[in-house]
Amino acid sequence: QSTLKESGPTLVKPTQTLTLTCTFSGLSLSRTGVAVGWIRQPPGKALEWLGMIYWDDNKHYRPSLESRLTITKDTSKNQVVLTVTNMDPVDTATYYCGYRQGYCSSGTCSWDYLGQGSPVTVSS
Amino acid sequence: DIVLTQTPLSSPVTLGQPASMSCKSSQNLVYTDGNTYLSWLHQRPGQPPRLLIYKISNRVSGVPDRFSGSGAGTDFTLKISRVEAEDVGVYYCMQSTQFPHTFGGGTKVEI
Repeated sequence: QSTLKESGPTLVKPTQTLTLTCTFSGLSLSRTGVAVGWIRQPPGKALEWLGMIYWDDNKHYRPSLESRLTITKDTSKNQVVLTVTNMDPVDTATYYCGYRQGYCSSGTCSWDYLGQGSPVTVSS
Repeated sequence: DIVLTQTPLSSPVTLGQPASMSCKSSQNLVYTDGNTYLSWLHQRPGQPPRLLIYKISNRVSGVPDRFSGSGAGTDFTLKISRVEAEDVGVYYCMQSTQFPHTFGGGTKVEI
């Protein structure tokens, strides 16, 4: 069974750094073409793509947030970590990690698997 | 960024009746490899989104055939031939042709 699970704090203060970990099982980030990424959803609002990291360590970030985002991977631990600096109340959201199997041309080029989400509130 | 506009915002439906929703892109979603990376995800209340359809019209394994996707270029449609109770929730279109990937605002389907 393939699963992803996000973990991290549920409450952070403004200006603090958020660190979320995505741990997956039954999946691998060492396979060619695979990518793991993050999306978020503010309460009652639509989904927002944040960024992705690929099997070869290539990365893409949302340009408007790029200066604040870092995505890293530990393939041996089957983990991907999202770091968001200088958190603000507008960053309050449920953060999901997702997994894309393989290259876009031969796969879905979408989120084949998504975790249950990690709610994060930014408040003093 | 590519903007995806979904209509309607909300769609009251009757069980057993069809439902349809639209996703319009601000740019052509055909990639240089000839594929169009437009997918549809479904989010039930309190649940994470789940992929239904990819590359416009390909159903993910296990998705009922009452769901169908169509369209080309900038205009796309998701249809449900006969709505069932489990189909309630919000449907999002997503483009992965160009970075940053973007989502539409969602169409809420309610009985």
